[in-house]
Amino acid sequence: GEDVEQSLFLSVREGDSSVINCTYTDSSSTYLYWYKQEPGAGLQLLTYIFSNMDMKQDQRLTVLLNKKDKHLSLRIADTQTGDSAIYFCAEEIKAAGNKLTFGGGTRVLVKP
Amino acid sequence: DTGVSQDPRHKITKRGQNVTFRCDPISEHNRLYWYRQTLGQGPEFLTYFQNEAQLEKSRLLSDRFSAERPKGSFSTLEIQRTEQGDSAMYLCASSLASAGVKEAFFGQGTRLTVV
Repeated sequence: GEDVEQSLFLSVREGDSSVINCTYTDSSSTYLYWYKQEPGAGLQLLTYIFSNMDMKQDQRLTVLLNKKDKHLSLRIADTQTGDSAIYFCAEEIKAAGNKLTFGGGTRVLVKP
Repeated sequence: DTGVSQDPRHKITKRGQNVTFRCDPISEHNRLYWYRQTLGQGPEFLTYFQNEAQLEKSRLLSDRFSAERPKGSFSTLEIQRTEQGDSAMYLCASSLASAGVKEAFFGQGTRLTVV
């Protein structure tokens, strides 16, 4: 079955690190994604990780994947006020036409 | 090419009316997806096309919903006899089938409000 879960809300101080967590259930997922959505804007792809990797770093973003526990996390280093947004994790299942199954989103609020 | 374009950006309609949305994908992209996002939730898959063929429809897509991509370029999503529960953001995305989602782009969406 397909089910992606995220915590609802995260508050963090500017300059600290943020960690957003996600769990998924479908072991056949090929890629896992993190998207950012700001108010009134579309979905912006932040980063992704292939399912046979356990870590990927991209500038301030670090993705960790624990395939055994089906747990994905996104760490944002040196969080800035512009990072305030809703973050969605999503899994892609190649056998299902590459469609995405999204989590419910984590609202991140960065306080100055 | 300026990316995936959706029209209109906002639509307010009375319950029972029909509405149609349009999505113009990135020109060389052969895959086109429709998602629906209700307030406070993540996007949910509705349907996708490869060229003009509609390859999958979610069970969320009731008989009142129909999507087309007649020439394999732009797509339309029509909702007949709208209900208040249809109020949502309708998102379109496109990609190359060979590249998958990691090179997919989303449009800014059409926000539908049914009153």
